[in-house]
Amino acid sequence: KAGVTQTPRYLIKTRGQQVTLSCSPISGHRSVSWYQQTPGQGLQFLFEYFSETQRNKGNFPGRFSGRQFSNSRSEMNVSTLELGDSALYLCASSLGTGISNQPQHFGDGTRLSIL
Amino acid sequence: TQLLEQSPQFLSIQEGENLTVYCNSSSVFSSLQWYRQEPGEGPVLLVTVVTGGEVKKLKRLTFQFGDARKDSSLHITAAQTGDTGLYLCAGADYGQNFVFGPGTRLSVLP
Repeated sequence: KAGVTQTPRYLIKTRGQQVTLSCSPISGHRSVSWYQQTPGQGLQFLFEYFSETQRNKGNFPGRFSGRQFSNSRSEMNVSTLELGDSALYLCASSLGTGISNQPQHFGDGTRLSIL
Repeated sequence: TQLLEQSPQFLSIQEGENLTVYCNSSSVFSSLQWYRQEPGEGPVLLVTVVTGGEVKKLKRLTFQFGDARKDSSLHITAAQTGDTGLYLCAGADYGQNFVFGPGTRLSVLP
């Protein structure tokens, strides 16, 4: 069974640009959550999507947005990139919504570097 | 905003030793999860604890959820080099807000 797939694995952008990251969940999983991981702040929850609807949102500015497609694949977009957006962006999928009690399966992340 | 603290931040031990890492908060959580993350990879779920006072064992790993549902511990018996990694605890409150601790970085030396 294929795991969670995130593309691309590495990305280099400059300040002010925008970026789109992609996540393909495990087959049959309908919930996708996104996280930002940095050495200083650790793992921080961005948002969760279930059945193409955002179900939960963390404390990030509006420059961070996402969407989910009918096949449960999800994309995350960051506009007007800042140096502080350099991080590992992780996607996790689970069978149902309600991330607190659902086993989450993480991808290996997209490493985003802002120059 | 709930905060999860983990201690110690770093731990380096010899293979065969026992260790305990801690996850603490002033908030009550409906459930708590432990993950292990290795370099270049995403976190892998080890266990979910739901009931206050609950103890779960996974081979050499023992997880405990505090009676008040505010803290948890992970005990590893006879550590092996394969246990090396970043151990993260993550808690969910009753409003489905989910927060991760900063992690304990464990190095098990041969």
